[in-house]
Amino acid sequence: AQSVTQLGSHVSVSEGALVLLRCNYSSSVPPYLFWYVQYPNQGLQLLLKYTSAATLVKGINGFEAEFKKSETSFHLTKPSAHMSDAAEYFCAVVRGATNKLIFGTGTLLAVQP
Amino acid sequence: GAGVSQTPSNKVTEKGKYVELRCDPISGHTALYWYRQSLGQGPEFLIYFQGTGAADDSGLPNDRFFAVRPEGSVSTLKIQRTERGDSAVYLCASSLNAGGEDIYRSSYNEQFFGPGTRLTVL
Repeated sequence: AQSVTQLGSHVSVSEGALVLLRCNYSSSVPPYLFWYVQYPNQGLQLLLKYTSAATLVKGINGFEAEFKKSETSFHLTKPSAHMSDAAEYFCAVVRGATNKLIFGTGTLLAVQP
Repeated sequence: GAGVSQTPSNKVTEKGKYVELRCDPISGHTALYWYRQSLGQGPEFLIYFQGTGAADDSGLPNDRFFAVRPEGSVSTLKIQRTERGDSAVYLCASSLNAGGEDIYRSSYNEQFFGPGTRLTVL
Protein backbone atom coordinates (compact mmCIF):
# COMPACT_ATOMS: atom_id res chain seq x y z
CA ALA A 1 0.00 0.00 0.00
CA GLN A 2 1.10 3.52 -0.66
CA SER A 3 2.76 5.41 2.19
CA VAL A 4 5.22 8.23 2.80
CA THR A 5 8.03 8.76 5.28
CA GLN A 6 9.29 12.17 6.31
CA LEU A 7 12.80 12.29 7.67
CA GLY A 8 13.33 14.89 10.37
CA SER A 9 10.46 16.02 12.54
CA HIS A 10 12.13 19.38 13.14
CA VAL A 11 14.26 21.41 10.73
CA SER A 12 15.78 24.78 11.56
CA VAL A 13 17.33 27.10 8.97
CA SER A 14 18.51 30.66 8.90
CA GLU A 15 16.61 33.27 6.97
CA GLY A 16 17.93 33.27 3.40
CA ALA A 17 19.27 29.72 3.61
CA LEU A 18 18.19 26.74 1.53
CA VAL A 19 15.19 24.80 2.76
CA LEU A 20 15.23 21.03 2.22
CA LEU A 21 12.46 18.86 3.63
CA ARG A 22 12.70 15.16 2.90
CA CYS A 23 9.98 12.76 1.84
CA ASN A 24 10.29 9.18 0.61
CA TYR A 25 7.36 7.23 -0.73
CA SER A 26 6.42 3.61 -1.02
CA SER A 27 4.09 2.72 -3.83
CA SER A 28 3.51 -0.21 -6.13
CA VAL A 29 1.89 1.98 -8.76
CA PRO A 30 2.72 5.44 -10.14
CA PRO A 31 1.94 7.67 -7.16
CA TYR A 32 0.24 11.00 -6.84
CA LEU A 33 2.33 12.95 -4.30
CA PHE A 34 1.67 16.17 -2.46
CA TRP A 35 3.17 18.67 -0.09
CA TYR A 36 0.84 20.52 2.26
CA VAL A 37 1.67 23.35 4.65
CA GLN A 38 -0.08 24.03 7.94
CA TYR A 39 0.39 27.40 9.60
CA PRO A 40 -0.40 27.68 13.31
CA ASN A 41 -4.13 27.40 13.98
CA GLN A 42 -4.93 27.17 10.28
CA GLY A 43 -6.06 24.44 7.93
CA LEU A 44 -3.91 22.52 5.48
CA GLN A 45 -2.95 24.32 2.30
CA LEU A 46 -1.71 22.58 -0.82
CA LEU A 47 1.82 23.69 -1.76
CA LEU A 48 2.29 21.52 -4.81
CA LYS A 49 1.42 18.18 -6.34
CA TYR A 50 2.98 15.56 -8.59
CA THR A 51 0.56 13.76 -10.90
CA SER A 52 2.96 12.01 -13.29
CA ALA A 53 3.54 14.94 -15.61
CA ALA A 54 6.78 16.92 -15.15
CA THR A 55 9.10 15.48 -12.51
CA LEU A 56 10.07 18.95 -11.25
CA VAL A 57 7.01 20.54 -9.75
CA LYS A 58 6.77 24.19 -8.84
CA GLY A 59 4.38 25.30 -6.14
CA ILE A 60 3.31 28.39 -4.31
CA ASN A 61 5.56 30.66 -2.26
CA GLY A 62 8.70 29.69 -4.19
CA PHE A 63 8.66 26.02 -3.18
CA GLU A 64 9.40 23.19 -5.58
CA ALA A 65 9.81 19.44 -5.39
CA GLU A 66 11.41 16.86 -7.64
CA PHE A 67 10.02 13.38 -8.15
CA LYS A 68 12.88 10.87 -8.33
CA LYS A 69 11.68 7.37 -9.07
CA SER A 70 15.14 5.83 -8.66
CA GLU A 71 15.33 7.19 -5.11
CA THR A 72 11.58 6.94 -4.36
CA SER A 73 11.84 10.52 -3.13
CA PHE A 74 9.85 13.73 -3.40
CA HIS A 75 11.88 16.24 -1.41
CA LEU A 76 10.65 19.82 -0.97
CA THR A 77 13.05 22.70 -1.51
CA LYS A 78 13.15 26.47 -1.47
CA PRO A 79 16.32 28.39 -2.37
CA SER A 80 15.94 31.11 0.25
CA ALA A 81 13.92 30.79 3.45
CA HIS A 82 11.69 33.59 4.69
CA MET A 83 10.48 34.05 8.23
CA SER A 84 6.95 33.52 6.93
CA ASP A 85 7.85 29.97 5.86
CA ALA A 86 7.86 28.82 9.49
CA ALA A 87 5.13 26.18 9.62
CA GLU A 88 4.57 22.45 9.60
CA TYR A 89 4.93 20.65 6.30
CA PHE A 90 3.31 17.36 5.38
CA CYS A 91 4.08 15.03 2.52
CA ALA A 92 1.16 12.90 1.34
CA VAL A 93 0.28 10.23 -1.20
CA VAL A 94 -3.08 9.28 -2.65
CA ARG A 95 -4.28 5.77 -1.91
CA GLY A 96 -6.96 4.02 -3.88
CA ALA A 97 -9.72 5.11 -6.17
CA THR A 98 -11.31 7.23 -3.45
CA ASN A 99 -8.32 9.60 -3.46
CA LYS A 100 -7.89 9.43 0.30
CA LEU A 101 -4.67 11.05 1.38
CA ILE A 102 -2.05 9.21 3.42
CA PHE A 103 0.11 11.73 5.25
CA GLY A 104 3.57 11.60 6.69
CA THR A 105 4.21 12.59 10.28
CA GLY A 106 5.18 16.12 9.33
CA THR A 107 8.25 18.34 9.57
CA LEU A 108 8.18 21.49 11.65
CA LEU A 109 10.25 24.18 9.94
CA ALA A 110 11.74 26.94 12.07
CA VAL A 111 13.36 29.96 10.41
CA GLN A 112 15.91 31.84 12.48
CA PRO A 113 16.61 35.53 11.84
CA GLY B 1 -15.74 32.07 -2.81
CA ALA B 2 -16.37 30.38 0.52
CA GLY B 3 -14.08 27.56 1.52
CA VAL B 4 -14.74 24.54 3.68
CA SER B 5 -16.07 25.53 7.07
CA GLN B 6 -16.18 23.51 10.27
CA THR B 7 -18.05 24.10 13.49
CA PRO B 8 -17.36 24.39 16.30
CA SER B 9 -13.75 25.47 16.09
CA ASN B 10 -13.16 24.15 19.59
CA LYS B 11 -15.10 21.60 21.62
CA VAL B 12 -14.35 20.61 25.18
CA THR B 13 -16.30 17.70 26.59
CA GLU B 14 -16.16 15.20 29.39
CA LYS B 15 -15.29 11.56 29.05
CA GLY B 16 -18.35 9.52 28.16
CA LYS B 17 -20.26 12.35 26.50
CA TYR B 18 -21.57 12.47 22.93
CA VAL B 19 -20.30 15.06 20.44
CA GLU B 20 -21.15 16.16 16.92
CA LEU B 21 -18.76 17.93 14.61
CA ARG B 22 -20.06 19.67 11.52
CA CYS B 23 -18.51 20.22 8.10
CA ASP B 24 -19.81 22.51 5.35
CA PRO B 25 -18.01 21.66 2.10
CA ILE B 26 -17.45 23.91 -0.86
CA SER B 27 -20.64 24.23 -2.86
CA GLY B 28 -20.79 21.72 -5.69
CA HIS B 29 -18.16 19.38 -4.25
CA THR B 30 -19.51 15.86 -4.22
CA ALA B 31 -16.59 14.23 -2.43
CA LEU B 32 -16.11 14.82 1.30
CA TYR B 33 -13.41 13.44 3.59
CA TRP B 34 -12.88 13.40 7.35
CA TYR B 35 -9.40 13.14 8.83
CA ARG B 36 -8.13 13.14 12.40
CA GLN B 37 -4.88 14.79 13.43
CA SER B 38 -3.51 13.83 16.82
CA LEU B 39 -0.81 15.90 18.49
CA GLY B 40 2.50 15.54 16.72
CA GLN B 41 1.08 13.39 13.94
CA GLY B 42 -0.03 13.84 10.38
CA PRO B 43 -3.73 13.70 9.54
CA GLU B 44 -5.21 10.20 9.38
CA PHE B 45 -8.08 9.28 7.09
CA LEU B 46 -11.37 8.43 8.76
CA ILE B 47 -14.16 8.31 6.18
CA TYR B 48 -15.01 9.35 2.62
CA PHE B 49 -18.40 10.29 1.17
CA GLN B 50 -19.32 10.43 -2.49
CA GLY B 51 -22.63 12.23 -2.48
CA THR B 52 -24.77 10.95 0.35
CA GLY B 53 -23.15 7.57 0.80
CA ALA B 54 -20.08 6.61 2.79
CA ALA B 55 -17.97 4.96 0.10
CA ASP B 56 -15.03 4.20 2.40
CA ASP B 57 -15.25 4.13 6.19
CA SER B 58 -12.16 2.01 6.69
CA GLY B 59 -10.46 4.67 8.81
CA LEU B 60 -13.06 4.90 11.55
CA PRO B 61 -11.31 3.58 14.66
CA ASN B 62 -14.29 1.81 16.20
CA ASP B 63 -18.08 1.77 16.31
CA ARG B 64 -18.23 4.82 18.58
CA PHE B 65 -17.51 6.90 15.48
CA PHE B 66 -20.15 7.52 12.87
CA ALA B 67 -20.65 10.10 10.12
CA VAL B 68 -23.57 11.12 7.96
CA ARG B 69 -24.17 13.29 4.94
CA PRO B 70 -27.92 13.02 4.39
CA GLU B 71 -28.34 15.55 1.58
CA GLY B 72 -24.96 15.23 -0.05
CA SER B 73 -23.67 18.52 1.29
CA VAL B 74 -23.17 19.12 5.02
CA SER B 75 -21.64 16.25 6.95
CA THR B 76 -21.69 15.50 10.66
CA LEU B 77 -19.13 13.36 12.45
CA LYS B 78 -20.60 11.82 15.57
CA ILE B 79 -18.62 10.38 18.45
CA GLN B 80 -20.37 8.43 21.20
CA ARG B 81 -19.02 7.76 24.70
CA THR B 82 -15.99 9.94 24.10
CA GLU B 83 -12.65 8.88 25.52
CA ARG B 84 -9.58 10.96 26.32
CA GLY B 85 -7.81 9.32 23.39
CA ASP B 86 -10.34 10.91 21.03
CA SER B 87 -8.78 14.31 21.71
CA ALA B 88 -7.45 15.60 18.39
CA VAL B 89 -8.11 18.06 15.59
CA TYR B 90 -10.77 16.74 13.25
CA LEU B 91 -10.31 17.95 9.69
CA CYS B 92 -12.80 17.96 6.86
CA ALA B 93 -11.92 18.25 3.18
CA SER B 94 -13.96 18.38 0.01
CA SER B 95 -13.25 17.98 -3.68
CA LEU B 96 -15.16 17.98 -6.96
CA ASN B 97 -15.15 14.21 -6.99
CA ALA B 98 -12.82 11.36 -6.16
CA GLY B 99 -11.40 11.00 -9.64
CA GLY B 100 -12.90 7.73 -10.77
CA GLU B 101 -12.00 4.09 -10.38
CA ASP B 102 -8.89 3.83 -12.53
CA ILE B 103 -5.76 4.11 -10.39
CA TYR B 104 -3.87 5.26 -13.46
CA ARG B 105 -6.29 8.16 -13.81
CA SER B 106 -4.95 11.17 -15.56
CA SER B 107 -6.59 13.76 -13.39
CA TYR B 108 -6.81 14.46 -9.73
CA ASN B 109 -9.23 16.72 -7.93
CA GLU B 110 -7.60 18.69 -5.17
CA GLN B 111 -8.95 18.32 -1.66
CA PHE B 112 -9.63 21.61 0.07
CA PHE B 113 -9.36 21.49 3.84
CA GLY B 114 -11.32 23.29 6.50
CA PRO B 115 -9.67 24.84 9.58
CA GLY B 116 -10.59 21.87 11.74
CA THR B 117 -12.37 21.31 15.04
CA ARG B 118 -10.14 20.88 18.06
CA LEU B 119 -11.79 18.30 20.33
CA THR B 120 -10.61 17.99 23.91
CA VAL B 121 -11.99 15.20 26.07
CA LEU B 122 -11.37 15.76 29.77
